[in-house]
Amino acid sequence: DVKVTQSSRYLVKRTGEKVFLECVQDMDHENMFWYRQDPGLGLRLIYFSYDVKMKEKGDIPEGYSVSREKKERFSLILESASTNQTSMYLCASLGNGAFFGQGTRLTVV
Amino acid sequence: QKEVEQNSGPLSVPEGAIASLNCTYSDRVSQSFFWYRQYSGKSPELIMSIYSNGDKEDGRFTAQLNKASQYVSLLIRDSQPSDSATYLCAGVPLGSAGNMLTFGGGTRLMVKP
Repeated sequence: DVKVTQSSRYLVKRTGEKVFLECVQDMDHENMFWYRQDPGLGLRLIYFSYDVKMKEKGDIPEGYSVSREKKERFSLILESASTNQTSMYLCASLGNGAFFGQGTRLTVV
Repeated sequence: QKEVEQNSGPLSVPEGAIASLNCTYSDRVSQSFFWYRQYSGKSPELIMSIYSNGDKEDGRFTAQLNKASQYVSLLIRDSQPSDSATYLCAGVPLGSAGNMLTFGGGTRLMVKP
């Protein structure tokens, strides 16, 4: 079974902090994604990566950056957390369909 | 038109009934589709994929793809309260070389005992 693991299930951070969300997959997939999900807004793509050190902006990249130094790991960075970044963050790895991590519920206070 | 569209629901069915979840797609989506189940507060879980016109069955689940009418359906037979969740439909955007999925907004299903 594909396993996608996100480093934290719940996080509480202060406004202005730099926040790192980590995601690791164990299936040697090339494509990895970061989404956020908010009530009524569905899944929104923040960034994706199709290879090591490659990244592409999704629909809502503002306020975020990403890092893919190794194939199995894709990190999402909130440069300066703001309250409007309070959300559920979902990492996914794409094989035959997308496989999601367990999600990180981030609260910025 | 959005690439993949779903009625947000909620769709309410009695226990034991057949739940029918529908998804329509635009010309910008290729004909590979995936159904996900998402329980409240949890992440989406892949339950079915379908690539060919027609039906594909897996246990109580049947996925249907109709290319001429550009819709995909998920049927859940003998619905159980544990099937209550949001169901997401996803397709592969044309030109993405299979490196991307585009998701519908999801349909919330409620199965009442």
